[in-house]
Amino acid sequence: QVQLVQSGAEVKKPGSSVKVSCKASGGTFSSYAISWVRQAPGQGLEWMGGIIPIFGTANYAQKFQGRVTITTDESTSTAYMELSSLRSEDTAVYYCARVNYYGSGTHAAFDIWGQGTMVTVSS
Amino acid sequence: DIQLTQSPSFLSASVGDRVTITCRASQGISSYLAWYQQKPGKAPKLLIYAASTLQSGVPSRFSGSGSGTEFTLTISSLQPEDFATYYCQQLNSYPFTFGPGTKVDIK
Repeated sequence: QVQLVQSGAEVKKPGSSVKVSCKASGGTFSSYAISWVRQAPGQGLEWMGGIIPIFGTANYAQKFQGRVTITTDESTSTAYMELSSLRSEDTAVYYCARVNYYGSGTHAAFDIWGQGTMVTVSS
Repeated sequence: DIQLTQSPSFLSASVGDRVTITCRASQGISSYLAWYQQKPGKAPKLLIYAASTLQSGVPSRFSGSGSGTEFTLTISSLQPEDFATYYCQQLNSYPFTFGPGTKVDIK
């Protein structure tokens, strides 16, 4: 069974960048899309963007365009999410999730999630 | 972007109760909707995809219905482990937005 294991908690200064990793184990990595979702303390879920490793093309939410970069390294079955120009409002738990396509491939859902990475932005 | 609203935002219920949560989309999304359950400090868990298909391993007391702009998640008989926050998500088009969540608490 595929598992997604994320890197550890980070504390960053405003204006800096953070890069969170998400390593897949136990299954095929490149066949599935990976999305990143964040959750600020006490708040709901927010989709940031996603990538299909085999194609290498990422889609980003407009809100994060220009600040977020999602990449993959197929040799290590790892996805990365880098967020730049950090501000206090970016303090959140960041999750990676596998996007599974069901049936004829038209219906998607996030079926496997990483454990989450807490990113704290504070001066 | 497609906006999702959920009602109620908070629900107090007892073990054994039938619970229904509604998710509405700002435009038609066919059946491209998923439901997730999240417990404090944990990652979300997929319950239902394609609006009404139960994810493998999810108890049959959970069910989903709807298409277009209105969807429901029903728990037929609430169990102690079901007290959590529930989110809907549209996967019709980017960005894959989530609803604001419905917290189900113990009465």
